[in-house]
Amino acid sequence: SAVISQKPSRDICQRGTSLTIQCQVDSQVTMMFWYRQQPGQSLTLIATANQGSEATYESGFVIDKFPISRPNLTFSTLTVSNMSPEDSSIYLCSVGGREDYGYTFGSGTRLTVV
Amino acid sequence: GNSVTQMEGPVTLSEEAFLTINCTYTATGYPSLFWYVQYPGEGLQLLLKATKADDKGSNKGFEATYRKETTSFHLEKGSVQVSDSAVYFCALSPKAAGNKLTFGGGTRVLVKP
Repeated sequence: SAVISQKPSRDICQRGTSLTIQCQVDSQVTMMFWYRQQPGQSLTLIATANQGSEATYESGFVIDKFPISRPNLTFSTLTVSNMSPEDSSIYLCSVGGREDYGYTFGSGTRLTVV
Repeated sequence: GNSVTQMEGPVTLSEEAFLTINCTYTATGYPSLFWYVQYPGEGLQLLLKATKADDKGSNKGFEATYRKETTSFHLEKGSVQVSDSAVYFCALSPKAAGNKLTFGGGTRVLVKP
């Protein structure tokens, strides 16, 4: 299965600023997924990022708040824009979807907005 | 739409006790089913999976069987260790293009020595 390097692992940010999270995969993958995990909660899919096309956002998430880039088949970024304390969460990227190896997750970015 | 329901935690056990975490799902067709584990301060790791009815996934002493008739995928381990303390997530994915995971709410397990 793929190996994902996600960074930063954690950050403390001021409200009103933006943070860009990076995910690097050790192999080419078609789809990458970005999730949010609010404190004590399960994972919620933010968007699916395909190379060469705009990301597809889930209900409740918009591009202006969570812009995503996917410049090639091994890399993606998620930006959390104009942050507020409510954005404090763990953000995770994921790749996969093939039945033979399931989905692999990055180690997550623990974001605290103060 | 698709959904996954799993028992709420926290579940507190003594070492060497038997662990069961119930998971049921709602989906069209025959999805693939997964259990993920999240250790404190870490990301998600795939624990086991099953892709068709009656398949049994197993790993690290954990087992789960894909039960189509009861739409269930319960996780079991016969003898837990303190190191099994974590949050466990049940998830499903439809077998279709653009498929994506739907997660249950997670179950926190605490194993005491």
